[in-house]
Amino acid sequence: EAQVTQNPRYLITVTGKKLTVTCSQNMNHEYMSWYRQDPGLGLRQIYYSMNVEVTDKGDVPEGYKVSRKEKRNFPLILESPSPNQTSLYFCASSLSTGYYNSPLHFGNGTRLTVT
Amino acid sequence: AQKITQTQPGMFVQEKEAVTLDCTYDTSDQSYGLFWYKQPSSGEMIFLIYQGSYDEQNATEGRYSLNFQKARKSANLVISASQLGDSAMYFCAMREVQGAQKLVFGQGTRLTINP
Repeated sequence: EAQVTQNPRYLITVTGKKLTVTCSQNMNHEYMSWYRQDPGLGLRQIYYSMNVEVTDKGDVPEGYKVSRKEKRNFPLILESPSPNQTSLYFCASSLSTGYYNSPLHFGNGTRLTVT
Repeated sequence: AQKITQTQPGMFVQEKEAVTLDCTYDTSDQSYGLFWYKQPSSGEMIFLIYQGSYDEQNATEGRYSLNFQKARKSANLVISASQLGDSAMYFCAMREVQGAQKLVFGQGTRLTINP
C-alpha cells in the first residue's frame, strides 16, 4: 500500500530533550516536506526537500533540523524542544515540485507535547 | 495577502443533503493546482480531489466534485448525499508552478452532518 509513515503518533517530552520524528514514504517520491498545524495558525511549512541531499527552509524553520540521506526517509529533528513547539506535525510527499498538479500525500501526524 | 480563503468557519447539514464548501484563491501564475483535503477528528489529512488550472471540466471523485470557476478564482467542493462520516474539517489548498515547493492551505471549514 502506498503510504507515508510517521512515528511516533504521540509524543510527550520535556524541554531541552532532543527528539526525532521519523518519516518514510514508499512511493519513490522526490519531494518531501514537514508541516505543523496549530489552532488559529493553520498549516505551516517547516522544511522541504526536493530530492536526496537537497533541503530548504519553509516558513517556520527555527528550532528544527532535517536531513535527506535517502529518498524514502525525511526525519525531523528537534535538538532542544521548547513548549512553543507543541503542535501536530505532518510529513508529506509528492512527485517532483515540477509537477504543480501533484497532490501531497500526508502521514497520519505526530502529536507532540513539550512540557 | 492570503492566497486561499475559506469564508465558512463551520457548516451544519442534514444527512443525505448536498453541501457546498466555498474556496477562493489568489494567484498570478497561469499554471496551478487546487486541492481539497479532509481532516477527521482522528487528525490525519486525506486527499480528496484535484483541479488543474487548465482543466476545462470540473473534477469529480465519487461523491465529491469541484466547482471550478476560473474567472472568479473559485474552487468550491461539492459533496453529494452527505453521510455522517463526512463530518470533518475540510481544507482547500493551492500549489503554484512558481512556488510548487509549498502547498498553501486555507483556514478550513468544519462540516457537521446531523442525522
